[in-house]
Amino acid sequence: EVQLVESGGGAARPGGSLRLSCAASGFTFDNYGMAWARKAPGKGLEWVSGINWNGGRTGYADSVKGRFIISRDNAKNSLYLQMNTLGADDTAMYYCAREGSSYHYIGWGQGTLVTVSS
Amino acid sequence: QSALTQPRSVSGSPGQSVTISCTGTSSDVGAYNYVSWYQQHPDKAPKLIIYDVNKWYSGDPARFSGSKSGNTASLAISGLQAEDEADYYCCSYAGSYTWVFGGGTKLTVL
Repeated sequence: EVQLVESGGGAARPGGSLRLSCAASGFTFDNYGMAWARKAPGKGLEWVSGINWNGGRTGYADSVKGRFIISRDNAKNSLYLQMNTLGADDTAMYYCAREGSSYHYIGWGQGTLVTVSS
Repeated sequence: QSALTQPRSVSGSPGQSVTISCTGTSSDVGAYNYVSWYQQHPDKAPKLIIYDVNKWYSGDPARFSGSKSGNTASLAISGLQAEDEADYYCCSYAGSYTWVFGGGTKLTVL
């Protein structure tokens, strides 16, 4: 069973940084692409970033490009999201997700909350 | 990377059918047969229902179905049940290892 546990969320000041982590278990981590998505209060889901199985391919939403960096450590079965230059619009629940056999996400974590406020 | 367009809300009575549309562009929905649908209950993680436009993943396969025509995808739910009340999101691969979600549709079972 796919299990994903996010951590690293919390409060941050505008302009500050946070690093999110996602611990994966229940599957062969280095066989699958992974992604981060977020849901801001009162808003819909937003795809944030994705990374392929070996980290050789990454993608970012325009809203975070140049500020966020996705990475993975296959030896530790872990996914990361380095978030820099945070703004109020980055306040959201952040979810990590595992790709399925195609271009979709079959497993999701329970999320970690990021709040950006002065 | 503009969000796919979904109706803000739909509703139906138990036993009835509803359809949720998802309109994108020729760069995402129209370009790839990689539209997926997710159900999200309040304070819960999203759950995949349909992938690759019309392949069932979870939920009742007899009640949930997906389709696509041009730049618009659709999710049909028949035989509405109380537990179907949730937010529904479409998602499309958009090329260059990027994805885009729809704005979400709140389904109310009357």
